[in-house]
Amino acid sequence: EDQVTQSPEALRLQEGESSSLNCSYTVSGLRGLFWYRQDPGKGPEFLFTLYSAGEEKEKERLKATLTKKESFLHITAPKPEDSATYLCAVQGGESGGGADGLTFGKGTHLIIQP
Amino acid sequence: ETGVTQTPRHLVMGMTNKKSLKCEQHLGHNAMYWYKQSAKKPLELMFVYNFKEQTENNSVPSRFSPECPNSSHLFLHLHTLQPEDSALYLCASSQEAGRYGYTFGSGTRLTVV
Repeated sequence: EDQVTQSPEALRLQEGESSSLNCSYTVSGLRGLFWYRQDPGKGPEFLFTLYSAGEEKEKERLKATLTKKESFLHITAPKPEDSATYLCAVQGGESGGGADGLTFGKGTHLIIQP
Repeated sequence: ETGVTQTPRHLVMGMTNKKSLKCEQHLGHNAMYWYKQSAKKPLELMFVYNFKEQTENNSVPSRFSPECPNSSHLFLHLHTLQPEDSALYLCASSQEAGRYGYTFGSGTRLTVV
């Protein structure tokens, strides 16, 4: 069964204070690892997909990296508008999240204080 | 607006009521999904439809009944729900099942009283 564990559960940073969020996973045959951002009262918003160890992707102040066991979402010089819950999900090659579905972690609630 | 529209945004229903949630996408995606999001829990996959055919039913109780009349529309029919079914129900779609990431709707906040 696919499993995703995110840490920390919550993180409070000062504006401009860089940090990283962790996503540890176990999956039978990784087909993709996904990062989403979710604002209160809204659905998750797609950020990145990573497919293989060593892959990196960037978008503005966010950078996602992937190893065989975990992924990191690095946030550089964050701003208050980066405050949100960040979700990690995996898609495996066998049932767990299902052949077509994703298995999500509980998320990291990030607060950036001005 | 993400391109995936869910209605209603909020729903309060009694345990003996019957209601339906609606999801609509005009992104040209072939796969659609229902997820349940409860407080302090990860998103839980409920149902997957690929080209209108159900390919996944993640051990969901029969009081939840999905319907996918075409690739653009997805319904979740609800009857005799329990208070523990109160949650945010999210619809999502993707180009190919899961490959390019999902586009989520804003969800329906369901309260069962």
